[in-house]
Amino acid sequence: QKEVEQDPGPLSVPEGAIVSLNCTYSNSAFQYFMWYRQYSRKGPELLMYTYSSGNKEDGRFTAQVDKSSKYISLFIRDSQPSDSATYLCAMSFRGSTLGRLYFGRGTQLTVWP
Amino acid sequence: EPEVTQTPSHQVTQMGQEVILRCVPISNHLYFYWYRQILGQKVEFLVSFYNNEISEKSEIFDDQFSVERPDGSNFTLKIRSTKLEDSAMYFCASSGTGGNEQFFGPGTRLTVL
Repeated sequence: QKEVEQDPGPLSVPEGAIVSLNCTYSNSAFQYFMWYRQYSRKGPELLMYTYSSGNKEDGRFTAQVDKSSKYISLFIRDSQPSDSATYLCAMSFRGSTLGRLYFGRGTQLTVWP
Repeated sequence: EPEVTQTPSHQVTQMGQEVILRCVPISNHLYFYWYRQILGQKVEFLVSFYNNEISEKSEIFDDQFSVERPDGSNFTLKIRSTKLEDSAMYFCASSGTGGNEQFFGPGTRLTVL
């Protein structure tokens, strides 16, 4: 299945860097977009949730959705070593009553001090 | 902060045996899900559950799988006759109204020998 594509990395940046994580998708019916953070051998933790196109900011994190390009991004400002994790994008369809999520493969991020 | 819990954290079983994975969703949530993640692969949807019945299931969720909400707090996934390829992390998730913001448990690592 290639509905949601995400570069697995790994991505390695110094502390304080701006990190950009991206996903592309093929199905224009996706309407809800999420970013999860997953530490090794743990469950995904919901970071950001957006509906349709536009930007959403929460502290150091900004989620961006461009539906015309079928492209979503997560930016992390002033990255910290504690941000080291795998970041998963996920999305679901409009009208899906129970929001089955389609995940990307995840990008492994390391922030070194 | 309320969270989804799962037991056991690790289950080892012999091929052909039945296993039951247990989850306690967030208490006021109404929608429940199981996902799995084979090592190195995407998180994959298995099934969603609402109002005591399955709402959607994926092609992975065949007759070997079943789900149940035996009481007001637990949500279980049963695999009747495990196969080697069932080895994976199994995540339970729950959501409130709308179904799109899903909160995941820490997972159960299932190893089939």
